[in-house]
Amino acid sequence: GAVVSQHPSRVICKSGTSVKIECRSLDFQATTMFWYRQFPKQSLMLMATSNEGSKATYEQGVEKDKFLINHASLTLSTLTVTSAHPEDSSFYICSAIPRNGEQYFGPGTRLTVT
Amino acid sequence: QKEVEQDPGPLSVPEGAIVSLNCTYSNSAFQYFMWYRQYSRKGPELLMYTYSSGNKEDGRFTAQVDKSSKYISLFIRDSQPSDSATYLCAMNRLGAGNMLTFGGGTRLMVKP
Repeated sequence: GAVVSQHPSRVICKSGTSVKIECRSLDFQATTMFWYRQFPKQSLMLMATSNEGSKATYEQGVEKDKFLINHASLTLSTLTVTSAHPEDSSFYICSAIPRNGEQYFGPGTRLTVT
Repeated sequence: QKEVEQDPGPLSVPEGAIVSLNCTYSNSAFQYFMWYRQYSRKGPELLMYTYSSGNKEDGRFTAQVDKSSKYISLFIRDSQPSDSATYLCAMNRLGAGNMLTFGGGTRLMVKP
């Protein structure tokens, strides 16, 4: 089956710094990738839709200047959390969609901001 | 009111039991229905995908959709401790591309 990877799997950073999370589709090309955030014991909340070669589409309430998304190629999307604060601590999950339309999820990245 | 409602549990059952997980939804535009399994600190894994009312079976798993009642279910037969996870229902609207709306997830614990 299709494989989506994320890097890093865990990251701890200090308040005020920026953190980049990578999402890669390993064996397929994905014109669309999604970024989700999941707080403990809660469901996935869609943050933004990342489209290769164009600007990301952000969900209501998600600050585009804080969560920078770059879909640089058909196999890579990055999420940069800028000027991170403790309330940004969460589990960030990406998903990618190959031609068959099924959504495959990455293993997630746990961000802790101290 | 959330578009998709799911009892958060936790649901605790003995090994071998039949498990019933459910979601209700309010938007009749939802046409595609999925069940995902998520182990702790991992990404969701697709279990079942359906788009019509009725039942769909895959091994120990059966997905059931009742569009008239806006109600979907996932049944797990002969539950195993390895089934212990959070189960998320997800839905997709026509015209919404691949965007999914998730339920809150039900945490299942299968005790040996």
